[in-house]
Amino acid sequence: QSVLTQPPSVSGAPGQRVTISCSGSSSNFGAGYDVHWYQQLPGTAPKLLIYDNNNRPSGVPDRFSGSKSGTSASLAITGLRAEDEADYYCQSYDTSLSDWVFGGGTKVTVL
Amino acid sequence: QVTLKESGPALVQPTQTLTLTCTFSGFSLSSSGMRLTWIRQSPGKALQWLARIDWDDDKFYSRSLKTRLTVSKDSSKNQVVLTMTNMGPVDTATYFCARIRDGGYFFDYWGQGILVTVSS
Repeated sequence: QSVLTQPPSVSGAPGQRVTISCSGSSSNFGAGYDVHWYQQLPGTAPKLLIYDNNNRPSGVPDRFSGSKSGTSASLAITGLRAEDEADYYCQSYDTSLSDWVFGGGTKVTVL
Repeated sequence: QVTLKESGPALVQPTQTLTLTCTFSGFSLSSSGMRLTWIRQSPGKALQWLARIDWDDDKFYSRSLKTRLTVSKDSSKNQVVLTMTNMGPVDTATYFCARIRDGGYFFDYWGQGILVTVSS
């Protein structure tokens, strides 16, 4: 069971907007630690998608955006495309565990 | 250009010790602020952070696996080594090394990963 909670799956038609939630607690998000998001295409390593809540590394399309409020965070994908089909993971640091923690992952399906 | 690549055995027998090497380029682990970490992913499951080593040789381990893990570095070779003792079937996973962004709490570059299967 993951420290950060994500829905197992979300889906949307091409062009639609989907959001992925990531629920934390007072010992991670609530303690001020940021959320980061990774995209994992099938058979590949995770790739940094969003860092420090809402920043995109160079090369990541602005269709991807992130936010964090209190003990929750979310990733939004607008203008959904077939190549966005992947697993998405949120990540933070947990001060009570002294561990870097991940969500269980959300599989995005493009209908 | 930052690259990382994991190497080691694909198959390990139960109770054996696993030794993995991460060979990296494009940065120096001797530089102040640089940190490198190990993360694993069991088949079909989520990511799990394992260990971290810093430029000043500080080391940190997952609380749940601390007694079984050791991380070390050879900065002259641009390599970091992870050992995990007493391997069992539940340790079957893809093991990744990743760089931690200087001053950050996230992983900005990842290796391709290496699948390690624990089986007799």
